[in-house]
Amino acid sequence: GAVVSQHPSRVICKSGTSVKIECRSLDFQATTMFWYRQFPKKSLMLMATSNEGSKATYEQGVEKDKFLINHASLTLSTLTVTSAHPEDSSFYICSARDPRGSDVDTQYFGPGTRLTVL
Amino acid sequence: GQSLEQPSEVTAVEGAIVQINCTYQTSGFYGLSWYQQHDGGAPTFLSYNGLDGLEEKGRFSSFLSRSKGYSYLLLKELQMKDSASYLCAPMDSNYQLIWGAGTKLIIKP
Repeated sequence: GAVVSQHPSRVICKSGTSVKIECRSLDFQATTMFWYRQFPKKSLMLMATSNEGSKATYEQGVEKDKFLINHASLTLSTLTVTSAHPEDSSFYICSARDPRGSDVDTQYFGPGTRLTVL
Repeated sequence: GQSLEQPSEVTAVEGAIVQINCTYQTSGFYGLSWYQQHDGGAPTFLSYNGLDGLEEKGRFSSFLSRSKGYSYLLLKELQMKDSASYLCAPMDSNYQLIWGAGTKLIIKP
């Protein structure tokens, strides 16, 4: 099956610092990756759709300048939380579409990154 | 508009069979996926239905009726490790997955 990795799995940072989260598709090329955040016991919330070689498409209410997304290659997308604040503390999860096989629109998720901003 | 409904919690006994229902309404429809999510973890893909009918994968089966906007996930021979949340995620015509809070499955010995 398709494997998506995410790094780091957990990060604690001070308020005002920036944090970069990497999402990699390990055994397939992903032209499209997705970034979600999830609060405890709540549903996944799509933040943005990342397309290789072009600008990310952000969902309404998500600040582009705060959550910088770069999809520089077919296997790597990064999310940078700039000037993080305690309210940015959340579980950030990336996913990618695997274009192979019959379930071409299935999204496979990375293991997630738990961000805690002090 | 778009809507998604699943029971918030379902309880079942180890070794038994449980069905988790999902009803949805989307602007256009492409297919529907089921995911499993353990506490503190990310969703794991279980199954996908693009057409009406039953898809079987080992102990897990998923059913779809597009005309009724209805799907269910069937889990057989329940094991304690199946305790998790199960997320129904229909995909609209823009290839966007619609997410809800999922159904928490509690399994008792």
